[in-house]
Amino acid sequence: SQTIHQWPATLVQPVGSPLSLECTVEGTSNPNLYWYRQAAGRGLQLLFYSVGIGQISSEVPQNLSASRPQDRQFILSSKKLLLSDSGFYLCAWSEGAPNIQYFGAGTRLSVL
Amino acid sequence: GESVGLHLPTLSVQEGDNSIINCAYSNSASDYFIWYKQESGKGPQFIIDIRSNMDKRQGQRVTVLLNKTVKHLSLQIAATQPGDSAVYFCAENQAGTALIFGKGTTLSVSS
Repeated sequence: SQTIHQWPATLVQPVGSPLSLECTVEGTSNPNLYWYRQAAGRGLQLLFYSVGIGQISSEVPQNLSASRPQDRQFILSSKKLLLSDSGFYLCAWSEGAPNIQYFGAGTRLSVL
Repeated sequence: GESVGLHLPTLSVQEGDNSIINCAYSNSASDYFIWYKQESGKGPQFIIDIRSNMDKRQGQRVTVLLNKTVKHLSLQIAATQPGDSAVYFCAENQAGTALIFGKGTTLSVSS
């Protein structure tokens, strides 16, 4: 069966510091991969999605970037965090049609 | 732009009651709809899905109804239990790789 791993679970970082969040999927090949951000009490905002290695689509211009160095690995990064980058970050995967996305446990990021 | 929304941000029910969570969507071209459940501090969990060529689909204690005429989607939970307390999101697929999520309804179940 497929599983998705996302870490760390929580992270506290100072403003201006770099960020690297990692997501890996097991049990499937060539999945679509997604990064979402969820502000407190709000819905999910799609940040990036990837349909293959090295292929990244950005949905929202921002202080973040994403990379897919391996088929089942998706990384969310920032060179310099802003206060507004605080939030709950979720990684998800899908196998195409139907586009049922399965989510990781999330990373709670606090930028202070 | 196109969006998926929910009629009520919160819903409070008693244990054992049936719950109905509603969702309105605006894009008639959406071909697929999904309901997710998100417990506090966790990622959303897939509950049930329905294709646009269907009106109803049933799962274990859950039923999703789709009314394409008025672009309305609902999730019915039978015999609601305290463990059903969570935020419920509907999502629509617009023939692409991205899902459009609604803002969510918080379901609170009291014993």
